[in-house]
Amino acid sequence: GENVEQHPSTLSVQEGDSAVIKCTYSDSASNYFPWYKQELGKRPQLIIDIRSNVGEKKDQRIAVTLNKTAKHFSLHITETQPEDSAVYFCSSEYGNKLVFGAGTILRVKS
Amino acid sequence: EPEVTQTPSHQVTQMGQEVILRCVPISNHLYFYWYRQILGQKVEFLVSFYNNEISEKSEIFDDQFSVERPDGSNFTLKIRSTKLEDSAMYFCASSGWSEQYFGPGTRLTVT
Repeated sequence: GENVEQHPSTLSVQEGDSAVIKCTYSDSASNYFPWYKQELGKRPQLIIDIRSNVGEKKDQRIAVTLNKTAKHFSLHITETQPEDSAVYFCSSEYGNKLVFGAGTILRVKS
Repeated sequence: EPEVTQTPSHQVTQMGQEVILRCVPISNHLYFYWYRQILGQKVEFLVSFYNNEISEKSEIFDDQFSVERPDGSNFTLKIRSTKLEDSAMYFCASSGWSEQYFGPGTRLTVT
């Protein structure tokens, strides 16, 4: 069935360093891959997404890459700041739903 | 910027009782969704709704669940006979043609 694997489950970085979160998906028919940031007790917020017709997309300090052949996609955060600390979920669109990864707890230490 | 809203923010109910969770999607959106998130776990899809009918539902969305769009603005999730394991955060989401935007959630506690 549809499945999204996400690694690592926790990630601690020093302020200013980069953070990378990786996901794999199972259904090669999937074409849309959004990333959500969830702060404690808050709603998941869409931070960036990528479609299968592009390999990379960047928005300021955040970038996503997609390798359709390998069914991998990754989130890259550069120059991390304390306010980047949150849980990050990758997801893949299957039909009319999003299937989420298990989440990565990112801690940015100042 | 328009947002999805949900009420109540927290609902406490006894096992076996019925609850209705309410959502107001973004006004020009066409697709509506319910997801749930058990504490500390990932977000799980429950149901999607388009053109006044369910377009897809998960295994979690069994006969005790139902959804309704009673008027032009509200979208509701009803749980007929709550169980302890229904305790979770329930998120409503809406989308136009692609990006899904989530509401703030309703924390359901079943005692």
